Amino acid sequence: GNSVTQMEGPVTLSEEAFLTINCTYTATGYPSLFWYVQYPGEGLQLLLKATKADDKGSNKGFEATYRKETTSFHLEKGSVQVSDSAVYFCALSDGGSYIPTFGRGTSLIVHP
Amino acid sequence: DAGITQSPRHKVTETGTPVTLRCHQTENHRYMYWYRQDPGHGLRLIHYSYGVKDTDKGEVSDGYSVSRSKTEDFLLTLESATSSQTSVYFCAMGNTDNEQFFGPGTRLTVL
Repeated sequence: GNSVTQMEGPVTLSEEAFLTINCTYTATGYPSLFWYVQYPGEGLQLLLKATKADDKGSNKGFEATYRKETTSFHLEKGSVQVSDSAVYFCALSDGGSYIPTFGRGTSLIVHP
Repeated sequence: DAGITQSPRHKVTETGTPVTLRCHQTENHRYMYWYRQDPGHGLRLIHYSYGVKDTDKGEVSDGYSVSRSKTEDFLLTLESATSSQTSVYFCAMGNTDNEQFFGPGTRLTVL
């Protein structure tokens, strides 16, 4: 079956540091890949997505590239802010079922 | 313009009582989902729906039932609440691009 593995958290950074959150996946076929963000006390929000190999999704300074050869979709941001503190979820969807598979989530804490 | 709402947002109940959580969407999306989120377990799918009166079980469906009589409403019922069902419950709707849009969550405490 499908699976998504994320790095364990929390990730703790100082403001303006570079961020990488690793995500690898196992899937049959050619899934779409997503990053969602959950701010404290809220539901998940779609952050970015990529639908085919070598696609780069980007939003709010975050980027992730769909790497089929390494089955990865790592999230990056060049300079994090305190307001980026949240839990980040990597997910995949196999187009045939509309049932997504989520990773466990990675907590990011950014200090001033 | 939330698009998807949940009610109630908070509920405290006693073991053995029935509880119904409501999810309402205004986007006319076909797909809807109920998840629970617990520390150490991430998000777990309880039930999902492909359309009106078309529902199926997720990975943690025991003790839960759902109903979808209208496109916009998806109800989750705990027939007889137990302390292990204390959790934060999220409803989501999905589009044909496999994107999911989540409600704000319901925090349920079973005493």
